[in-house]
Amino acid sequence: DVKVTQSSRYLVKRTGEKVFLECVQDMDHENMFWYRQDPGLGLRLIYFSYDVKMKEKGDIPEGYSVSREKKERFSLILESASTNQTSMYLCASSLTGGLHSYEQYFGPGTRLTVT
Amino acid sequence: DQQVKQNSPSLSVQEGRISILNCDYTNSMFDYFLWYKKYPAEGPTFLISISSIKDKNEDGRFTVFLNKSAKHLSLHIVPSQPGDSAVYFCAASEGAQKLVFGQGTRLTINP
Repeated sequence: DVKVTQSSRYLVKRTGEKVFLECVQDMDHENMFWYRQDPGLGLRLIYFSYDVKMKEKGDIPEGYSVSREKKERFSLILESASTNQTSMYLCASSLTGGLHSYEQYFGPGTRLTVT
Repeated sequence: DQQVKQNSPSLSVQEGRISILNCDYTNSMFDYFLWYKKYPAEGPTFLISISSIKDKNEDGRFTVFLNKSAKHLSLHIVPSQPGDSAVYFCAASEGAQKLVFGQGTRLTINP
């Protein structure tokens, strides 16, 4: 079974703090993704990565950056947290190529509150 | 601009009956569609998918129908069970690993 883990389930940070969200997958997947989930808006893609040290902007990258130094680890960084970044953050991974390459496997999520 | 839309935020169905969740899309280049199920405090889990070259895919109690001319996707659950109560997201892809998700529909199965 694919396992995607996220460093924290719940996180409370103050406005202006730098926040790191960590994600690790154990199935040697090439692709990793960061989403945020907000009521009525579904899942929106922040950043994704097709390979180590590679990153691409998703639909809402403003205020975020990412790092992928190792294949299994993908970090989301909030440079200066703001209250509008209060959300559920979901990490996912997937394979490249093959029948199941479209399927993304998600971690349990991190509920971030910025006060 | 929402390329994938789930216009019903919620749906309530009696146990044992059919649940039908709907999804509309605007991008005719989408070639693969997926449904995910999400329980509170958990990440979404993959449920069922369909390629654009098909119009139906079935897996046990779950069937997905694709109407390309109408750009419409639906998920049928028969019979509905209490454990099916969750938020369901449809998603679409355009030839790559990136997915575009709908807003989600909260399904409640009543005993």
